[in-house]
Amino acid sequence: QKEVEQDPGPLSVPEGAIVSLNCTYSNSAFQYFMWYRQYSRKGPELLMYTYSSGNKEDGRFTAQVDKSSKYISLFIRDSQPSDSATYLCAMSYSGGYQKVTFGTGTKLQVIP
Amino acid sequence: DAGVTQSPTHLIKTRGQQVTLRCSPKSGHDTVSWYQQALGQGPQFIFQYYEEEERQRGNFPDRFSGHQFPNYSSELNVNALLLGDSALYLCASSSPPYEQYFGPGTRLTVT
Repeated sequence: QKEVEQDPGPLSVPEGAIVSLNCTYSNSAFQYFMWYRQYSRKGPELLMYTYSSGNKEDGRFTAQVDKSSKYISLFIRDSQPSDSATYLCAMSYSGGYQKVTFGTGTKLQVIP
Repeated sequence: DAGVTQSPTHLIKTRGQQVTLRCSPKSGHDTVSWYQQALGQGPQFIFQYYEEEERQRGNFPDRFSGHQFPNYSSELNVNALLLGDSALYLCASSSPPYEQYFGPGTRLTVT
């Protein structure tokens, strides 16, 4: 069993839709939770970074962490064609060590 | 701020050869991590360097080695290349305990 599970998709939605992306994980030691966006043949770009449980909002993006269920989510409101990319969830342990464990990524396509 | 930079962008090598990839961290960052991303997969942690020492290592063979220089830049070396080493190699820099920022990657093709 992988430490981090993520549905690879692809997920196709119409422009303007609310997108929900999710990951589950098995290691309760994870404390830092991240979402990265990766365009084709590019490096991952950090979108959201949260510590422990709770919600965090940044513009059209909302990240949720539920440590009791070992479940994290990313919501994208008013999705745009430019949001079409692969979204990677990622997590790491607390402290100074920053080994990051990634999901496989969910490919999202927003159709105009 | 130039962000994380990596060189070269693309590389084609033959099985059995050796390769060196380079990374310059984001300004102010002192920690460099390397990841391998196979097609359709998430990045896999190779190792991390801090103060010129390998601090943590993922499940990769000894053919993968690295180095960090006093200016925090880093190199990833892979010996005896295998076809399965073909991937996007990503460098990420950070100033722990904060988030990692990734470079654009080096795409390695082994033939």
